[in-house]
Amino acid sequence: NAGVTQTPKFQVLKTGQSMTLQCAQDMNHEYMSWYRQDPGMGLRLIHYSVGAGITDQGEVPNGYNVSRSTTEDFPLRLLSAAPSQTSVYFCASNGQGATEAFFGQGTRLTVV
Amino acid sequence: QKEVEQDPGPLSVPEGAIVSLNCTYSNSAFQYFMWYRQYSRKGPELLMYTYSSGNKEDGRFTAQVDKSSKYISLFIRDSQPSDSATYLCAMRRGPSWGKLQFGAGTQVVVTP
Repeated sequence: NAGVTQTPKFQVLKTGQSMTLQCAQDMNHEYMSWYRQDPGMGLRLIHYSVGAGITDQGEVPNGYNVSRSTTEDFPLRLLSAAPSQTSVYFCASNGQGATEAFFGQGTRLTVV
Repeated sequence: QKEVEQDPGPLSVPEGAIVSLNCTYSNSAFQYFMWYRQYSRKGPELLMYTYSSGNKEDGRFTAQVDKSSKYISLFIRDSQPSDSATYLCAMRRGPSWGKLQFGAGTQVVVTP
């Protein structure tokens, strides 16, 4: 079982560059989310989706875009990277009626 | 003020001791309470969840929820070095929908 797969695992960007963090799940889950984790801040919700074609903003959405064209994939786009976006990014999914959210292994992003 | 407060630690205990972790929260709409364990450089994984108030036990782990005090706890009995990890509390309004709100996480170190 692959579960939730995130790519890449590590990335270094220059300020102003754009990139897409990939997230795919093979559990046919309706709900998918993106979080960022910073020291002392826990995980903060960036964007989430309750199904294909439906997305909404979380707690810290500025500077990020998402789309959900299929059930399996939920990419996160950084439009113009800033040093404040240096963080570890986690994608998660859970099924309808299920409490447990499954997390990917994370993407460590550094913006210089 | 954060919706969920959790002491980041670190909390260092000798092997065999009881580990006591807790979180406080301000949103009375939260109904589902979870504890996630996160090993270094890994994604969080669900350890336990509780619906509304009460206790839940699973092996060496006990989760408690006191909704009247807006306080949740996790106890680890007979702690092992393999329990060394960061423990994050999380909570949401519904079983699978609604935004999952995390605490900052407490780093636990169990020394042999």
